[in-house]
Amino acid sequence: DAGVIQSPRHEVTEMGQEVTLRCKPISGHNSLFWYRQTMMRGLELLIYFNNNVPIDDSGMPEDRFSAKMPNASFSTLKIQPSEPRDSAVYFCASSSATGGSYEQYFGPGTRLTVT
Amino acid sequence: SQQGEEDPQALSIQEGENATMNCSYKTSINNLQWYRQNSGRGLVHLILIRSNEREKHSGRLRVTLDTSKKSSSLLITASRAADTASYFCAPGDGGSQGNLIFGKGTKLSVKP
Repeated sequence: DAGVIQSPRHEVTEMGQEVTLRCKPISGHNSLFWYRQTMMRGLELLIYFNNNVPIDDSGMPEDRFSAKMPNASFSTLKIQPSEPRDSAVYFCASSSATGGSYEQYFGPGTRLTVT
Repeated sequence: SQQGEEDPQALSIQEGENATMNCSYKTSINNLQWYRQNSGRGLVHLILIRSNEREKHSGRLRVTLDTSKKSSSLLITASRAADTASYFCAPGDGGSQGNLIFGKGTKLSVKP
């Protein structure tokens, strides 16, 4: 398996622009998680989906952030409009809770820089 | 799920020495996982220990769990420079969604 795939790997954009981050989970996994990591705040859980349904989005910082999972093999995290404080590494992870297995598999991350 | 708290925040040792990291949590759990993060990479799952287990081994890793003290420890024996990374614990309640909350981690530096 190719693992969790994220794109782009790096994104540099100007303040006010829309940013879309993409994630393809591991085939067969039914849970998907979006995290943000900064030096100041560490690794924060933004939102997670189970069977394509958003379960908890309480970690989404503001209405500027939105996430979708239109099918089991694709999810997006959108920031509109972006601000310099959104600069961070964004990780997507997936897992399958069936059979009592709870390990999360992380993608390589998208490093976002907003100038 | 709840957040675990790793201790110490940073640890520096020489190659060949053992490294011990600790994790504390607040409420009862179904399982606890340990993850490693190399600089600039995503987290990698190392080991999961269930609440009815006291100790688990995987290669040079040894994890213990004391549910009465609500704590876990990760021991890396005979450390190598390649073990340099941040290590995170994640207590799990066994819920069907499997969501985890990560703390700040322990930053381990192994000097050659």
